[in-house]
Amino acid sequence: GAGVSQSPRYKVAKRGQDVALRCDPISGHVSLFWYQQALGQGPEFLTYFQNEAQLDKSGLPSDRFFAERPEGSVSTLKIQRTQQEDSAVYLCASSLRRDRGSGEQYFGPGTRLTVT
Amino acid sequence: RKEVEQDPGPFNVPEGATVAFNCTYSNSASQSFFWYRQDCRKEPKLLMSVYSSGNEDGRFTAQLNRASQYISLLIRDSKLSDSATYLCAPKGGYQKVTFGIGTKLQVIP
Repeated sequence: GAGVSQSPRYKVAKRGQDVALRCDPISGHVSLFWYQQALGQGPEFLTYFQNEAQLDKSGLPSDRFFAERPEGSVSTLKIQRTQQEDSAVYLCASSLRRDRGSGEQYFGPGTRLTVT
Repeated sequence: RKEVEQDPGPFNVPEGATVAFNCTYSNSASQSFFWYRQDCRKEPKLLMSVYSSGNEDGRFTAQLNRASQYISLLIRDSKLSDSATYLCAPKGGYQKVTFGIGTKLQVIP
């Protein structure tokens, strides 16, 4: 079946531009996560949705970052007034379970954002 | 102290060798633990879940030591295709998974 998809795969933005990154999770997956991965680092948690509810946004680095999942399926991560330090790969992951018993996550291919 | 600590490596091992990685975690409330594999410029993929005293899957064995707060991954009979970065990931509240920096493995012919 189809896995997690993300678009665009690559994005180049000039400093100060707004960007929107899209994630299509696996159909039926309740949980959706966004991560930021800088070169040579592990994925860093940004935010978590259970259906349409954003239950944890503690990892968003600033108020320039905003995420939504209005219908509990597709999610969008928006970065306003991009800065060079925002350059990274943005990974989306989904998971079938909502409870604490399982944390297996399925990742999309990521969006590589470069801010010039 | 970082929430999850891993030796970034690289670990360069010959084909057929046995290699082990350790990962320490600081959140004593972590209930579940995972190893993910990440190939260069690709997304992480779940390799193994680690529950209670650990588990084995073919050439891969994962162990959990709650008292010392570390998990380990053992790979036997290394293959060239095992070359990748291995990410340790304990899970805390909700389903929040915290990833380590990853340990890079390079299997040499």
